[in-house]
Amino acid sequence: GDSVTQMEGPVTLSEEACLTINCTYTATGYPSLFWYVQYPGEGLQLLLKATKADDKGSNKGFEATYRKETTSFHLEKGSVQVSDSAVYFCALGGNQFYFGTGTSLTVIP
Amino acid sequence: GAGVSQSPSNKVTEKGKDVELRCDPISGHTALYWYRQSLGQGLEFLIYFQGNSAPDKSGLPSDRFSAERTGGSVSTLTIQRTQQEDSAVYLCASSFSWRRVPDEQYFGPGTRLTVT
Repeated sequence: GDSVTQMEGPVTLSEEACLTINCTYTATGYPSLFWYVQYPGEGLQLLLKATKADDKGSNKGFEATYRKETTSFHLEKGSVQVSDSAVYFCALGGNQFYFGTGTSLTVIP
Repeated sequence: GAGVSQSPSNKVTEKGKDVELRCDPISGHTALYWYRQSLGQGLEFLIYFQGNSAPDKSGLPSDRFSAERTGGSVSTLTIQRTQQEDSAVYLCASSFSWRRVPDEQYFGPGTRLTVT
């Protein structure tokens, strides 16, 4: 069945460091892929999405490219900020919705 | 408001009692999901409603859990004879689905359930 495998955390980075959070998926058909973010004390919110192969989603300096050949949707940011500290969830939307287990990111000044 | 709302925001109950959690999805959204998020854990899928189709109940952890969605809008998640392990944040999300392919989900703020 469909599933999402996400890099386990926690991840701790210094401000302005590069970030990559790996996400791979297994799916039949042509799912959409999403990254959700949960800031401390807040609810989940959509960060970015891609609906077909080779699409790049981007928002707030984060990017992720839908790679069908490697079945991946890695989240990247070139320079993280303290305010990016949160839990990040990769998700797949096909016949159903599947979430990864989440990766906690802490950015230190 | 235009977002997904959930009530109550917090619920403390004694072990063995029944609880009802409510979700008001975004108007016009045909898909509604319930998830459970335990402390420091990811999202555990519970149940999924899509339009008038039979719900996908494959994630419900036991027969103490049930959910209904009336009129294709408001949903209620009921937990009977609550146990301490039911303590978690219960999240509701809705989306506008086209041809059963889920679109992005919009989450409510959650209900924090504590079973004492």
